[in-house]
Amino acid sequence: TQLLEQSPQFLSIQEGENLTVYCNSSSVFSSLQWYRQEPGEGPVLLVTVVTGGEVKKLKRLTFQFGDARKDSSLHITAAQPGDTGLYLCAGSQSGGSYIPTFGRGTSLIVHP
Amino acid sequence: DAGVTQSPTHLIKTRGQHVTLRCSPISGHKSVSWYQQVLGQGPQFIFQYYEKEERGRGNFPDRFSARQFPNYSSELNVNALLLGDSALYLCASSPGKGVYEQYFGPGTRLTVT
Repeated sequence: TQLLEQSPQFLSIQEGENLTVYCNSSSVFSSLQWYRQEPGEGPVLLVTVVTGGEVKKLKRLTFQFGDARKDSSLHITAAQPGDTGLYLCAGSQSGGSYIPTFGRGTSLIVHP
Repeated sequence: DAGVTQSPTHLIKTRGQHVTLRCSPISGHKSVSWYQQVLGQGPQFIFQYYEKEERGRGNFPDRFSARQFPNYSSELNVNALLLGDSALYLCASSPGKGVYEQYFGPGTRLTVT
């Protein structure tokens, strides 16, 4: 069982559409990160959220941390082909093990 | 500034052999972590080193070992390779003890035949 469940697993959309991907857990996290990974490369950090209810924006990307710090979402507005990639969430449990956990990721393809 | 660098980029080994992967962190970063990423999965934590000491270890067998050098670079060693060790091995660095914000290298693609 994955500590961090990401959904959907795959997403194929047309340029200009909006989308939301989710990262859920039954555990509380002290912080949560979102990364984007392109084929053959390492993940690139997009954002870190630390406060319950926090919302951060990065151009067309909006990240939200749940009030209870157990879940997070990533919303992309007007998706572009350059947004294509594997979106990963990662976090370390609050008061628990130091070991960071990654979800399996959401694979996004944006067609021109 | 240079990012995290890893070598080699690709490697093919035979079952039973051993392998050494290398990582140089971003200048000024003292923490290095190693991850294994199998196709279709997220990265799985193997080790974290900070100031040359092991700070965290994931659920991997003793065939996996690592160390960090005085210049903060790091090596990951895997002995008695199995087919299941085939994966992308990622190194990440962060400025302090916490791993909350990590900067990943491009990875080493290991294939075990």
